[in-house]
Amino acid sequence: EAEVAQSPRYKITEKSQAVAFWCDPISGHATLYWYRQILGQGPELLVQFQDESVVDDSQLPKDRFSAERLKGVDSTLKIQPAELGDSAMYLCASSPSWGVPEAFFGQGTRLTVV
Amino acid sequence: DAKTTQPNSMESNEEEPVHLPCNHSTISGTDYIHWYRQLPSQGPEYVIHGLTSNVNNRMASLAIAEDRKSSTLILHRATLRDAAVYYCILAYNNNDMRFGAGTRLTVKP
Repeated sequence: EAEVAQSPRYKITEKSQAVAFWCDPISGHATLYWYRQILGQGPELLVQFQDESVVDDSQLPKDRFSAERLKGVDSTLKIQPAELGDSAMYLCASSPSWGVPEAFFGQGTRLTVV
Repeated sequence: DAKTTQPNSMESNEEEPVHLPCNHSTISGTDYIHWYRQLPSQGPEYVIHGLTSNVNNRMASLAIAEDRKSSTLILHRATLRDAAVYYCILAYNNNDMRFGAGTRLTVKP
């Protein structure tokens, strides 16, 4: 069964360092999302791509976070510099196309900033 | 942004039906009602979605009020594997899907 792949599964980094997460959506899925989930809360949408274009990044802290999906396939989310408050689960999801309501989530990357 | 209100937690007994409510009084005409669930240590999983009519699939049923200001996710026979956080989300198709805090469902054997 096809699934959204994320790596790494776990990452520990020191504050002020740079960190990056990678997501490979299900093949053929045009829509890709990055979410951040703080322990005990629901996922927070950071950025949504349609192919290689950003559809919504209104919740992305752009002073330190960046996201790209250069060829409209896999995607990278970067944090530089990391802060203690960035400790969270970072989830990637994909959907076949705009207009298809079902999104498929990966297992996430658990980030701990020390 | 359209908002949803869900109870923080609910309990159910195994093999009994569960009705999970969601209020969305500010829903717009183009908003779909989506339900996702998140099992422990996993990413969210799609459950069901609807616009105006009630919907059924292999996982659950979705009952939507006539005025669309509330909806109910129905699990017909809860199992221990249904213990999860259930999220009710309003979004136009799959655009801008924003999760709230959800309802934590506990299923007792």
